Parts: sequence; structure tokens; C-alpha cells
Amino acid sequence: GEDVEQSLFLSVREGDSSVINCTYTDSSSTYLYWYKQEPGAGLQLLTYIFSNMDMKQDQRLTVLLNKKDKHLSLRIADTQTGDSAIYFCAESDNAGKSTFGDGTTLTVKP
Amino acid sequence: DTAVSQTPKYLVTQMGNDKSIKCEQNLGHDTMYWYKQDSKKFLKIMFSYNNKELIINETVPNRFSPKSPDKAHLNLHINSLELGDSAVYFCASSQVQMGNEKLFFGSGTQLSVL
Repeated sequence: GEDVEQSLFLSVREGDSSVINCTYTDSSSTYLYWYKQEPGAGLQLLTYIFSNMDMKQDQRLTVLLNKKDKHLSLRIADTQTGDSAIYFCAESDNAGKSTFGDGTTLTVKP
Repeated sequence: DTAVSQTPKYLVTQMGNDKSIKCEQNLGHDTMYWYKQDSKKFLKIMFSYNNKELIINETVPNRFSPKSPDKAHLNLHINSLELGDSAVYFCASSQVQMGNEKLFFGSGTQLSVL
């Protein structure tokens, strides 16, 4: 079946850039997503990218997609303490069914 | 107005009891879901409904029974609760368009089985 993998932990200093990486196996992925989960809350969609695009930028967030290598990354510029959260990578197939990674816990140190 | 709301937020109960979690969405979406998040924060889909019809039923014990009275509501009933059912349960909704499944999540129900 489909598999989405991401490293479990990332720690950065405030003001630095964070890069969270994700790999997936499903060749028929149509959309790829990044969700953010803050403590005690549900997941919130941050951004998504269509599979025929290779980059999407939204303010401090940059998504890069390498479809050949099935690699997705999320770069957060000027990381702030409020960015501390769990970030989930997900992909959806042609039917719109999503598969989630196990989440990367981002810790931002002052 | 909260887009996806679920109740209760916390549920503490004894093993063997039966409990329900309710979910409502006011986004006009056709599809609703239940996800389970374990203590390691891993997220797994349990069920999804499209216009009140069950379309995804992952490997979930039949003690879990979802019910969708209309497309804005998806409730989860759990019979004979076990210790391993302790987790955070998230309701979500989406309007799937050409493979784009943007999910909107509720704030979760933390279930503790003692």
C-alpha cells in the first residue's frame, strides 16, 4: 500500500530556517499536503501542492516537490517559537484518499 | 462559528462501557471522516462517509460503529471499551474535487479508558 515517511524530530533556533522532509511511494499521488498540529488541537491544513508543480511559496512557507524522487519538503523561513508543532505530510490519490506520514515534531529554541 | 465541532472534548470511562462521540460540520462538505491518533501522535483513518454512505472502513474492530444521520453529522459509537481504545479521536470533513482532499479537522476527543 501507499507509504509516507518523515523524520520524527527537528530542532532549530529561533530565526533560522526549518526544513522538514517527506518521502512517499504512491506514483499516482495527485496532491501533496502539509498539515500543522499544535498541542491539544486538531490538524490544520498549511499548504498543498499539485503533483505537476515543483514549487509553491506562501509567505514564510516554501514547498518543494521532486516527483521523480517522490520527495516533498517544507521550508519555514525565520522560524518562530509559535511554529513549534507537529507537521504532517500527506498525499492523496486519484480518488482523493489521503495517506499521512507519522509527523515531524518541530521544536524551536529561543 | 466552528467549522468542524466534536463533543465531548474529554471522555473518561471504565473498561466495558459503551460511549459515543458526536461530530458536526457546517462547511457543506460531502465527506466526513474519523481518525484515531495514538500516544505517539501517529494518525490513522478509521472510517469515511460520503453523503451518508460508508466509503472507507479500515481495519477497525466492529465494536466501533459510525453513524451518519445526514451529511453534516458523523457520530462514532464504541461498544465494550478496552484499554487500547485510549487515544485522541478526530473528526474531519472535506469536499473532494479532482483528487484534492483538503481536510478540515475538529479539535479532537481525548478518550481515556480506565
